[in-house]
Amino acid sequence: KAGVTQTPRYLIKTRGQQVTLSCSPISGHRSVSWYQQTPGQGLQFLFEYFSETQRNKGNFPGRFSGRQFSNSRSEMNVSTLELGDSALYLCASSFGGVGETQYFGPGTRLLVL
Amino acid sequence: DAKTTQPPSMDCAEGRAANLPCNHSTISGNEYVYWYRQIHSQGPQYIIHGLKNNETNEMASLIITEDRKSSTLILPHATLRDTAVYYCIVRADNYGQNFVFGPGTRLSVLP
Repeated sequence: KAGVTQTPRYLIKTRGQQVTLSCSPISGHRSVSWYQQTPGQGLQFLFEYFSETQRNKGNFPGRFSGRQFSNSRSEMNVSTLELGDSALYLCASSFGGVGETQYFGPGTRLLVL
Repeated sequence: DAKTTQPPSMDCAEGRAANLPCNHSTISGNEYVYWYRQIHSQGPQYIIHGLKNNETNEMASLIITEDRKSSTLILPHATLRDTAVYYCIVRADNYGQNFVFGPGTRLSVLP
């Protein structure tokens, strides 16, 4: 069974630009969660989507948004990029039921110059 | 904030058992203990989880104390490839509950 895939794996942007990252969950999984990992703040939860609806949200500004499609694939978008948005962005998928384990993808490393 | 406390780093000799402790003194009755590890900037890898009974799988064993206030992850025969940051997380058994990661324990397996 294929794991969680994320594209692109690496990305370089400049301040003020916007970026869209993609996540394809494990087949059959309906929940996709996004996390940001930085050296200073560690792994932080961004949001979770289940059946095309945002079900949970972390404490990030509105520049960070996401969506989920009917095939459970998810995208996250960051607008007006700041230097501090440089990070490893991870997505994780699960069946979405109570207590389900999340499985993480390899991440997208974003560098903002 | 993370609900767990872990030592920041540990060393283990290759071939020996690695015992990684985790304190979660405020754990609630419906919260599971999960362990993940992250090998140098890859995505976190699920290891094992449990509620109150000890659990074992092909990767590791999880020992949870009777009062559930602490647990230990055991890697029975550590190899160099087990060098990673290990995260202990407690998460409620509810819909939409995300993982709150702390800084974890950096395990170094030494030859």
